[in-house]
Amino acid sequence: RKEVEQDPGPFNVPEGATVAFNCTYSNSASQSFFWYRQDCRKEPKLLMSVYSSGNEDGRFTAQLNRASQYISLLIRDSKLSDSATYLCVVNFGTSYGKLTFGQGTILTVHP
Amino acid sequence: SQTIHQWPATLVQPVGSPLSLECTVEGTSNPNLYWYRQAAGRGLQLLFYSVGIGQISSEVPQNLSASRPQDRQFILSSKKLLLSDSGFYLCAWSGVGASNQPQHFGDGTRLSIL
Repeated sequence: RKEVEQDPGPFNVPEGATVAFNCTYSNSASQSFFWYRQDCRKEPKLLMSVYSSGNEDGRFTAQLNRASQYISLLIRDSKLSDSATYLCVVNFGTSYGKLTFGQGTILTVHP
Repeated sequence: SQTIHQWPATLVQPVGSPLSLECTVEGTSNPNLYWYRQAAGRGLQLLFYSVGIGQISSEVPQNLSASRPQDRQFILSSKKLLLSDSGFYLCAWSGVGASNQPQHFGDGTRLSIL
């Protein structure tokens, strides 16, 4: 089993659609969680941290379920510019801040 | 604000040649520093991390080495490149209390070995 597993995608959605990505992680001692976005041939960029109570940033909502070891990202009112690969990222609690990255889910938003 | 610089952006090298990629961070002190590689169509693989000057830990055995000669400088090297060293190399930093902090990436170096 992979340490961080994501929906394989790809997701192809029209502008304005709502899309949700799921992610599961294997280590129950995991301490922190993030969603990153990576555009084609670019570096990953932090989209948002994921907090235990869930959190929202504009059109993006992240949820964490520690009991099920599950993280989600919801994007509302999709824009063309949301097209990218979304990476689920987990810190399993190492002192040096090692992050474990999922393979990513490709999202394409079309007109 | 903190910034991270990585160069060169692209590099084409022959098999057997040496390599030196450099990364510097500005606007923070004593960051944790990381080197990753991303092969085409694959996920990010952590190669090295450093929690301080001269302190380097390797995550996977390989043909590469890393050094941290100054607090905010991280260098990735190889004496003789292999074809399998091709990929997208990313440097990243995180702040003090790194166990719950995100990492921030440089623009990356796209390395092609011929």
